[in-house]
Amino acid sequence: DADVTQTPRNRITKTGKRIMLECSQTKGHDRMYWYRQDPGLGLRLIYYSFDVKDINKGEISDGYSVSRQAQAKFSLSLESAIPNQTALYFCATSDLGGGGFNEQFFGPGTRLTVL
Amino acid sequence: SQQGEEDPQALSIQEGENATMNCSYKTSINNLQWYRQNSGRGLVHLILIRSNEREKHSGRLRVTLDTSKKSSSLLITASRAADTASYFCATDGIANSNSGYALNFGKGTSLLVTP
Repeated sequence: DADVTQTPRNRITKTGKRIMLECSQTKGHDRMYWYRQDPGLGLRLIYYSFDVKDINKGEISDGYSVSRQAQAKFSLSLESAIPNQTALYFCATSDLGGGGFNEQFFGPGTRLTVL
Repeated sequence: SQQGEEDPQALSIQEGENATMNCSYKTSINNLQWYRQNSGRGLVHLILIRSNEREKHSGRLRVTLDTSKKSSSLLITASRAADTASYFCATDGIANSNSGYALNFGKGTSLLVTP
């Protein structure tokens, strides 16, 4: 079984709809992240959480919210989806490593299309 | 904002040749990582180099880091068709108030290895 899972894997929705993307991990990591990837723009950080009580905005948090329900679960919500939120969304986890951070482990991604 | 910037954006070589990708960054870092992404899938960690290291090897991968020039290179020797993927460098970015960092990813180099 995959260590980091994302649901759904694909989603098509309409402008104005509320969407939740879910991420679960079995790696026992405290740190979890949400990124979006757009063609030619690489990965951009939306939100990150270093433990259950710690939530931080990333580079592009506007229009998104998150919930860290447990150590293993980190959900990303689009309260009112808009077409420019069409992208590939990735969840990632990491442990606390020496030097401040360690390698990140990525989920398979959720392809979201907002019409 | 994105910290790392990969060069070239795209690279096409034949099997058996070496592939070199470069990454430049703007501010001081603690560590730099390289990741690989097969088309439409999650990123996979390849190698991490710390700021006090100058070169690191892992199998057919060789990474160098020049902190004075704020640049890193990834060399893949004796490339194979299976190496076809996008390659991203990532540097430590946003600092949490307690400890640790989220990562800033570059836009990636798309590598095509033809038989």
